[in-house]
Amino acid sequence: IQMTQSPSTLSASVGDRVTITCRASQSINNWLAWYQQKPGKAPKVLIYKASSLESGVPSRFSGSGSGTEFTLTISGLQPDDFATYYCQQYNDYPSTFGQGTKVEIK
Amino acid sequence: EVQLLESGGSLVQPGGSLRLSCAASGFIFRNYAMSWVRQAPGKGLEWVAGISGSGAGTFYADSVQGRLTISRDNSKNTLFLQMSSLSAEDTAVYYCAKGKGQQVVLDSWGQGTPVTVSS
Repeated sequence: IQMTQSPSTLSASVGDRVTITCRASQSINNWLAWYQQKPGKAPKVLIYKASSLESGVPSRFSGSGSGTEFTLTISGLQPDDFATYYCQQYNDYPSTFGQGTKVEIK
Repeated sequence: EVQLLESGGSLVQPGGSLRLSCAASGFIFRNYAMSWVRQAPGKGLEWVAGISGSGAGTFYADSVQGRLTISRDNSKNTLFLQMSSLSAEDTAVYYCAKGKGQQVVLDSWGQGTPVTVSS
């Protein structure tokens, strides 16, 4: 299953509402996770099962979607949120990641 | 606190072999699926292999099928990745990651171990 994220790069300012889209090449039901990765660090899970917020993750992060189209929304971008974001499908093996979306400072 | 500590990464010649290890602590290891995820320099994440909590089920990305073997020793709380027939395309940081139960949602990650395939 191929996962396609858009955009590849996103320029935004602190306080902006940011939306990242992830499309699957076939239905993955709602078996989708979102991760945040900062340079030189391991990824961190933010959202699983498309819309469930991982424990300890700020509520400004939210996920939605089902089937083949999903979104990650950051409501009120904070300085700590500038990073690269990946979606991952786990509906079927092999699990696959999107190519990533880099959120940059505008 | 969950801790995952990878080791075994190094410089290896094309065609060579390598065995990565991941020592786990802070959770009941046998109850959780585990995965290896890699990241080539400047590139995105690639899930390469997964294993069920019991070790009975193993799963691979198409790109590594037949060359990489995932295994685990639940008595020693350790995950392994045996790598063979390595090529430059296998150069990456390899992360060990814990699944959320038996799912492949990766809720804890190690710091990664670098593998470089070069002559």
